[in-house]
Amino acid sequence: DAGVIQSPRHEVTEMGQEVTLRCKPISGHDYLFWYRQTMMRGLELLIYFNNNVPIDDSGMPEDRFSAKMPNASFSTLKIQPSEPRDSAVYFCASSYFRLAETTDTQYFGPGTRLTVL
Amino acid sequence: LAKTTQPISMDSYEGQEVNITCSHNNIATNDYITWYQQFPSQGPRFIIQGYKTKVTNEVASLFIPADRKSSTLSLPRVSLSDTAVYYCLVVPYGGFKTIFGAGTRLFVKA
Repeated sequence: DAGVIQSPRHEVTEMGQEVTLRCKPISGHDYLFWYRQTMMRGLELLIYFNNNVPIDDSGMPEDRFSAKMPNASFSTLKIQPSEPRDSAVYFCASSYFRLAETTDTQYFGPGTRLTVL
Repeated sequence: LAKTTQPISMDSYEGQEVNITCSHNNIATNDYITWYQQFPSQGPRFIIQGYKTKVTNEVASLFIPADRKSSTLSLPRVSLSDTAVYYCLVVPYGGFKTIFGAGTRLFVKA
């Protein structure tokens, strides 16, 4: 399997522009997560989906951030308008849960490094 | 979600065994203990998970005492490539809302 795929790997944009990050989870996984990592705040869970439905978005910093999962193989995280403080590495992860197994193991993508000037 | 506490950083030398202890005093009955590893410029990677006693895989061992209020990740004979940040997480069975703390930054020297 190719693992979790994220695009772009690097994004540089100017303040006020719209930014869209993309993620393709591992086939067969029914959970998808978006994280943000900065030196100051560490790795933060922004939102996660189960079967394409957002379950918990309490980590989304503000209304400028939105996430969608139109189908089982694709998700987007959008920032509009972007600000310099949004500069971070954004990770997507996917997982699955089966009753006979223990708790989750999340598989992370390579991340998108976002720089907002 | 139970809060975890682990050392901010540790240094070791190649070939040594490294033990990283994590404290989770408020762990609940249905919580599991999970460790992830993160190399620079990569996403975290699952290492090992356990509920009680000892778990071993090809990468590490996880020791959990009977009261489960702490756990120790043991890396045998580390190499330079084990330099990474190691995160201890407590996650409820069937739960997916994960909180990554600051982790332990392990630096392995030659």
